[in-house]
Amino acid sequence: DGGITQSPKYLFRKEGQNVTLSCEQNLNHDAMYWYRQDPGQGLRLIYYSQIVNDFQKGDIAEGYSVSREKKESFPLTVTSAQKNPTAFYLCASSGEAATNTGELFFGEGSRLTVL
Amino acid sequence: AQKITQTQPGMFVQEKEAVTLDCTYDTSDPSYGLFWYKQPSSGEMIFLIYQGSYDQQNATEGRYSLNFQKARKSANLVISASQLGDSAMYFCAMRGVNTNAGKSTFGDGTTLTVKP
Repeated sequence: DGGITQSPKYLFRKEGQNVTLSCEQNLNHDAMYWYRQDPGQGLRLIYYSQIVNDFQKGDIAEGYSVSREKKESFPLTVTSAQKNPTAFYLCASSGEAATNTGELFFGEGSRLTVL
Repeated sequence: AQKITQTQPGMFVQEKEAVTLDCTYDTSDPSYGLFWYKQPSSGEMIFLIYQGSYDQQNATEGRYSLNFQKARKSANLVISASQLGDSAMYFCAMRGVNTNAGKSTFGDGTTLTVKP
């Protein structure tokens, strides 16, 4: 079945460490996104990519980095510069980046906890 | 700038009854789209329904319907015949026409609990 796979589902990190969250999709979508979700809040956009080898900062990119070397993959690195990284991270994709009716397809998320 | 307001942090409904989840929005875009997503405890966000700002009729998808009142800037989600599996968090979202799909603005969500 087509979909988005995120791993790991749960991740613990010590302060000062970088961690990378994986996101793989087999929907043949051009656009991919990373969101952060904090308790009781909606989604905030971290980074997005509309084509391979290109990506743009979202609303809260500081302390994060991404790469888009393959259409299927869009990993997110949470660096030690991110002051408050404990959160739930969601990866998404869409088939048409700038279409009014295009909905987002999401993975099941990765929960990062900093110890 | 766009803003989505969901004023109900939590809602309860009896199984088999209908429930309305509120969503109001603010935007300066002349044309926009409104979306509802469901987030069960597993974490994955699931698309439910879409309403375009120039659509003449309210959108419906199975048991979901969107009560769109453009003048009031509201886009309430109506779930008919609630089921236990409807217990989840629900998010209202919007974006302007030709805006990148991922640059949608999301509300803070409403947690719906369906009672047996």
